[in-house]
Amino acid sequence: AQKITQTQPGMFVQEKEAVTLDCTYDTSDPSYGLFWYKQPSSGEMIFLIYQGSYDQQNATEGRYSLNFQKARKSANLVISASQLGDSAMYFCAMTQGTGGSYIPTFGRGTSLIVHP
Amino acid sequence: DTEVTQTPKHLVMGMTNKKSLKCEQHMGHRAMYWYKQKAKKPPELMFVYSYEKLSINESVPSRFSPECPNSSLLNLHLHALQPEDSALYLCASSHLPRRRSTDTQYFGPGTRLTVL
Repeated sequence: AQKITQTQPGMFVQEKEAVTLDCTYDTSDPSYGLFWYKQPSSGEMIFLIYQGSYDQQNATEGRYSLNFQKARKSANLVISASQLGDSAMYFCAMTQGTGGSYIPTFGRGTSLIVHP
Repeated sequence: DTEVTQTPKHLVMGMTNKKSLKCEQHMGHRAMYWYKQKAKKPPELMFVYSYEKLSINESVPSRFSPECPNSSLLNLHLHALQPEDSALYLCASSHLPRRRSTDTQYFGPGTRLTVL
């Protein structure tokens, strides 16, 4: 069975500072994918970044980077230079490849508030 | 273009009403999904259509009836709902690549449903 854990229900950060949102996962499948989604109060789930289990380098997308530590089974999201518009719920999710479901399992989410 | 559209944005209905939620994507994606999401919780999978065929039904009550008229459209027909069915209903689509762990879901803006 696969499992995703987000231990921070809420995080606060000052505008322009960096923030790290934690995500740990548990799977015995060697092939898996890790995703981060942002959900503002409007409701839409916005895909941010993807990391594959076989990827050698950490994924980056603009101000978002994924700190992938395979041995520790962690996939933390780093947001650099926070902006007020980054205030939202953030969900970590995982899919499995071989023999597993391609349907993502979501963590419970972290609520991020960016202060001016 | 990674756009998934959903209509209506908001819906209020009585317990005896019949209504439908609509979802559309023009990305050539081969899988489409319905999720239900309560406030401050991760989305819960309801149905999956792959190649226009219902492939997953997560034991959803029969008062929710999905329909996939073609590869771009997904409907959710609602009948005799209960107040506890009030939630955000999200539609998503994905490409279904051969390496399934890389499959990324793209979500629509959601329909906020209130059942009176």
